[in-house]
Amino acid sequence: AQTVTQSQPEMSVQEAETVTLSCTYDTSESDYYLFWYKQPPSRQMILVIRQEAYKQQNATENRFSVNFQKAAKSFSLKISDSQLGDAAMYFCAYKGGSQGNLIFGKGTKLSVKP
Amino acid sequence: DAGVIQSPRHEVTEMGQEVTLRCKPISGHDYLFWYRQTMMRGLELLIYFNNNVPIDDSGMPEDRFSAKMPNASFSTLKIQPSEPRDSAVYFCASSLQVSKQFFGPGTRLTVL
Repeated sequence: AQTVTQSQPEMSVQEAETVTLSCTYDTSESDYYLFWYKQPPSRQMILVIRQEAYKQQNATENRFSVNFQKAAKSFSLKISDSQLGDAAMYFCAYKGGSQGNLIFGKGTKLSVKP
Repeated sequence: DAGVIQSPRHEVTEMGQEVTLRCKPISGHDYLFWYRQTMMRGLELLIYFNNNVPIDDSGMPEDRFSAKMPNASFSTLKIQPSEPRDSAVYFCASSLQVSKQFFGPGTRLTVL
């Protein structure tokens, strides 16, 4: 069975600085997708970024980028120029190519200090 | 686009009562998912549909839980009878084929 592990329950970053959130996963599949979702206090789950496993190039969305290491089964999220609005829970998620649902990690609570 | 719509946003009920949660997916999406979020277990899939047909219901806790999707624009998750351990936030999500999933705002259920 696939698993997703986020080893950092909480992280803190100074406004305008850069922070990296870690995620590792376990799978025997070769075709899959990885995601980072943001959940602010409003509870809304917001898709931040997506990576297809077959793509070697790391995905980037404005201030958000990933470091995808397929051999190491690692998928970290880098947030550059952190803003107060980035404060939230961040969930790493896995989706196998043959399945529809997401498998989530336990989440990392990110605090941004002014 | 209004996004995924869930109702109610909050529900407080007493143990033993029937609870029905509702979801309207994004128009045109062919996958619909029900997830549950608790502090202890995190986010976990309950069931998902493809073209209104249940594909995987292995996450449904027990027979007290049932889900239906009578048409492409509506789904319900019913708990009967409800128990205090069912207290959680229930999310509905939808996607087009197997691409990105878009989540609704969630329903916070409290069973007293």
